[in-house]
Amino acid sequence: IAGITQAPTSQILAAGRRMTLRCTQDMRHNAMYWYRQDLGLGLRLIHYSNTAGTTGKGEVPDGYSVSRANTDDFPLTLASAVPSQTSVYFCASSDSGQGTDTQYFGPGTRLTVL
Amino acid sequence: QKEVEQNSGPLSVPEGAIASLNCTYSDRVSQSFFWYRQYSGKSPELIMSIYSNGDKEDGRFTAQLNKASQYVSLLIRDSQPSDSATYLCAVDSSGGYQKVTFGTGTKLQVIP
Repeated sequence: IAGITQAPTSQILAAGRRMTLRCTQDMRHNAMYWYRQDLGLGLRLIHYSNTAGTTGKGEVPDGYSVSRANTDDFPLTLASAVPSQTSVYFCASSDSGQGTDTQYFGPGTRLTVL
Repeated sequence: QKEVEQNSGPLSVPEGAIASLNCTYSDRVSQSFFWYRQYSGKSPELIMSIYSNGDKEDGRFTAQLNKASQYVSLLIRDSQPSDSATYLCAVDSSGGYQKVTFGTGTKLQVIP
């Protein structure tokens, strides 16, 4: 069982380019999340999905979009990358999305936008 | 005002000592509290969760919650060099579907 996988591991991207970060989980968790982690700012929620077919905005959603076509996949798209989107991106999932759930994190994608 | 505050550290303790990590939060309706450990270059992993006032022990780890003071702490007994990591405090105040806010983390260094 892999848990959560993310791809790519790292990427250098020119500003203005479109980029999709992939996230797949095999735990059949209902809820999935995208965070970015920046030095001094900690983990900040970008978007979330409580169940397949639904998504919601987190703390820092601008410039990002997500979709949840099925239970396992939760891709994050940067429509037109900007240097301020340089960060480490973590995908996470939890069983039911309830407040007491444990979140399980993927290995992360390190993105650099030049 | 940050919703979840932690001292960034580094907190340095000698091997075998007790490490005490602290976290305060601003939302009084917060109901679930988590401590995640993150090694450098790795992803966070849950080590403790606590939902009620008081202490919760799991091996060398003890989480302490005081809702009246809006304070949650993590004690690590018999600290080992392998405990050297950044510890993230996370608080859920949604009351329903999870909406977790993370602190910026405290870096712990255990000196052999």
